[in-house]
Amino acid sequence: DIQLTQSPSFLSASVGDRVTITCRASQGISSYLAWYQQKPGKAPNLLIYAASTLQSGVPSRFSGSGSGTEFTLTISSLQPEDFATYYCQQLNSYPITFGQGTRLEIK
Amino acid sequence: EVQLVESGGGLVQPGGSLRLSCAASGFTSSDHHMDWVRQAPGKGPEWVGRSRNKANSYTTEYAASVKGRFTISRDDSKNSLYLQMNSLKTEDTAVYYCARLSLHSSRSYPNYWGQGTLVTVSS
Repeated sequence: DIQLTQSPSFLSASVGDRVTITCRASQGISSYLAWYQQKPGKAPNLLIYAASTLQSGVPSRFSGSGSGTEFTLTISSLQPEDFATYYCQQLNSYPITFGQGTRLEIK
Repeated sequence: EVQLVESGGGLVQPGGSLRLSCAASGFTSSDHHMDWVRQAPGKGPEWVGRSRNKANSYTTEYAASVKGRFTISRDDSKNSLYLQMNSLKTEDTAVYYCARLSLHSSRSYPNYWGQGTLVTVSS
């Protein structure tokens, strides 16, 4: 199985900050990676797919990059509604796997 | 408007069975691959399985943790997806989500999710 390791697991930041979350795959997954935002009690919400394609309706302050084994999610200027948990997911091969999550909190 | 509504969750004893439903609206579910994903309390999401679309003969894939115990099926007449869960274990306790996938560059990505239904396995 492909393991996804996110870093950091916890991030404290302020409104207006630029933040970057990294997702590393245990083997190459081309660009078959998605990023999700999840708030308590809600389903995951797709932000980015194919590593760098912004899902329709998602603010442009979110961006993704990477291929192979290393990927990043960047939020260019944090807004209050961005404080949530973020997960990466690989869709290169079965079983589909998720990273362990990055919890983004207000400093 | 695309909507997915899960139902059928509840409390079940270890070794018991439960059938979850996912009612789709706003699109034709047979045109899309569909996933089940679960999330145990306080944990991250875990992929459970996939039903490919009608064009791919509704073939299925499962996570190792549920293979042989869970079965995904569909009913096109009801535009619905199902998850039959047998031989349930306490570690199957989770919120179960269904998700609709859309194709992009040879891979399908879950872009619509239901609100989830809670399954609790406990004696």
